[in-house]
Amino acid sequence: DIQMTQSPSSLSASVGDRVTITCQASQDISNYLNWYQQRPGKAPKLLIYDASNLETGVPSRFSGSGSGTDFTFTISSLQPEDIATYYCQQYDNLPLTFGGGTKVEIK
Amino acid sequence: EVQLVESGGGLVQPGRSLRLSCAASGFTFDDYAMHWVRQAPGKGLEWVSGISWNSGSIGYAGSVKGRFTISRDNAKNSLYLQMNSLRAEDTALYYCAKGVAARLSYFDLWGQGTLVTVSS
Repeated sequence: DIQMTQSPSSLSASVGDRVTITCQASQDISNYLNWYQQRPGKAPKLLIYDASNLETGVPSRFSGSGSGTDFTFTISSLQPEDIATYYCQQYDNLPLTFGGGTKVEIK
Repeated sequence: EVQLVESGGGLVQPGRSLRLSCAASGFTFDDYAMHWVRQAPGKGLEWVSGISWNSGSIGYAGSVKGRFTISRDNAKNSLYLQMNSLRAEDTALYYCAKGVAARLSYFDLWGQGTLVTVSS
């Protein structure tokens, strides 16, 4: 199975800050990497697909980059509504696997 | 309205069975793969199983292989998960999720989940 390692597991930042989360795959997954947002008590929501493509309707302050084994997710200017847990997910191989999640809080 | 509605969750004793259902609406169901993803209380997301548009490709997480069976009925726009030999560690909120293509890849629509509690 492909292991997805996310860091940090949690972070606290101020409104307007730039926030960066990393995700590392245990083997090369090309760009088969997606990012989801899960707000408290809600179902996950797809934000970024294929490492860097913004899902329709998602604000442009969210972005993703990377390929191979190392990936980055960025919120360019943190907003109060961005309080959530963020997950990466690979689909290069079955079983599909998620990272452990990064909980983002407002300082 | 595009939506997924799960049902069938509940409290079940270890070793017993449960069948989850997911009713899809608002999109052409048989164009897409479908999945089950679960989340144990206070934990992260775990993909459980997925099925391609025509049931020709099916996958399972190692933790449920041999115990769970995924199926779909395209005529009824419905997805199912038969869960046998349930264990305490299967306790979770089970989400139905729509794939973005016919193959097993990722998810662009999620239901609100149905809670499964395995306990004596």
